[in-house]
Amino acid sequence: DTGVSQDPRHKITKRGQNVTFRCDPISEHNRLYWYRQTLGQGPEFLTYFQNEAQLEKSRLLSDRFSAERPKGSFSTLEIQRTEQGDSAMYLCASSQRHGYSPLHFGNGTRLTVT
Amino acid sequence: QQPVQSPQAVILREGEDAVINCSSSKALYSVHWYRQKHGEAPVFLMILLKGGEQKGHEKISASFNEKKQQSSLYLTASQLSYSGTYFCGTAKSYSGAGSYQLTFGKGTKLSVIP
Repeated sequence: DTGVSQDPRHKITKRGQNVTFRCDPISEHNRLYWYRQTLGQGPEFLTYFQNEAQLEKSRLLSDRFSAERPKGSFSTLEIQRTEQGDSAMYLCASSQRHGYSPLHFGNGTRLTVT
Repeated sequence: QQPVQSPQAVILREGEDAVINCSSSKALYSVHWYRQKHGEAPVFLMILLKGGEQKGHEKISASFNEKKQQSSLYLTASQLSYSGTYFCGTAKSYSGAGSYQLTFGKGTKLSVIP
């Protein structure tokens, strides 16, 4: 169990640029989640995959955000035309399929939009 | 709807006990507790399901009162390693995708001092 891996750890970008983050879940986990966390807040759900299917998407997720999980393995989260309000820690988590399996979080990608 | 956690912050001396509460205005199907240390990923502590079960993890235990729609986390004989921010996450349904799409509270910052 190597844990959930996220890349990059930090990203600084200028407003209006596009950014893409990558998440590699624990290999036997077929559920994958993206959360966003800002200072002083708990993680906020963005989207969820079971294998390659994106089954849930938060209403808070604007059209500028898109996530993929080709072949049900790693996942990418892309933010187009970044805004300063997008600055946050983006957390990926994975879990096993059965029952109430706990979420295993990665260390996150910290995005700063200048 | 975001669960409400109390207190927002607490300072303990080693060996003291603490209780962290998590309450919701909506029906709870499960409550998930995580601990996050500064700059690190949230780490799973325990899940509580409907039925008022009390679960334990080291010297940390929790209860779930579905009638009152609240859960409490009990930390006994606190250790320095317990320092961090504790989050409760609530699921919006009992089964299906909603059972693991968690809404987290704002967290309770626990500081244990020697």
